[in-house]
Amino acid sequence: GQNIDQPTEMTATEGAIVQINCTYQTSGFNGLFWYQQHAGEAPTFLSYNVLDGLEEKGRFSSFLSRSKGYSYLLLKELQMKDSASYLCAPLDGDYKLSFGAGTTVTVRA
Amino acid sequence: GAVVSQHPSRVICKSGTSVKIECRSLDFQATTMFWYRQFPKQSLMLMATSNEGSKATYEQGVEKDKFLINHASLTLSTLTVTSAHPEDSSFYICSTTPGLAGDFSYEQYFGPGTRLTVT
Repeated sequence: GQNIDQPTEMTATEGAIVQINCTYQTSGFNGLFWYQQHAGEAPTFLSYNVLDGLEEKGRFSSFLSRSKGYSYLLLKELQMKDSASYLCAPLDGDYKLSFGAGTTVTVRA
Repeated sequence: GAVVSQHPSRVICKSGTSVKIECRSLDFQATTMFWYRQFPKQSLMLMATSNEGSKATYEQGVEKDKFLINHASLTLSTLTVTSAHPEDSSFYICSTTPGLAGDFSYEQYFGPGTRLTVT
């Protein structure tokens, strides 16, 4: 199986910045996705990185280092609605998606 | 992103009965669909990959005779949980991918999920 490691929980204040780190080991690699999942709902797409570097998309940015097997998701100007679980999901050499256990982010007023 | 529907969204059944969950791709023809299961506070675990017109590929540890998958058309895959037991109670989610034709290579579009409770 694949190894995906991300923190279990993070708490931050409204308006702040939070960085969620993810390390992974896969058999082959075809990119890495970040998904947001609210409790009881299906995951929704946030970002995709296949090349090294930073991808910026509004308040959310994602970074990838393929040589280090490392990615992070950066959430800026946190809002209460950003309270959710964030899933790191690398795509392996067979184009199969594996999910980390998720990082639960709690945004406090 | 593409729209994927699932039906039912929530189902309660008695132990020993069977439940069928439908997954439909509404925007494109999905050759491949994926079925995941998620227990509370845990990650999504891939159960099987469903290919239109052929047998599904099951992940290690998933009983193919218990979780029957049928992918009869390019827009519909079904998962039937046979002889359900309380430990099968979980959140079942399907997804499809347009492959290289999508915005991002092999991005998966998820259905809204089905909450199964076996009493």
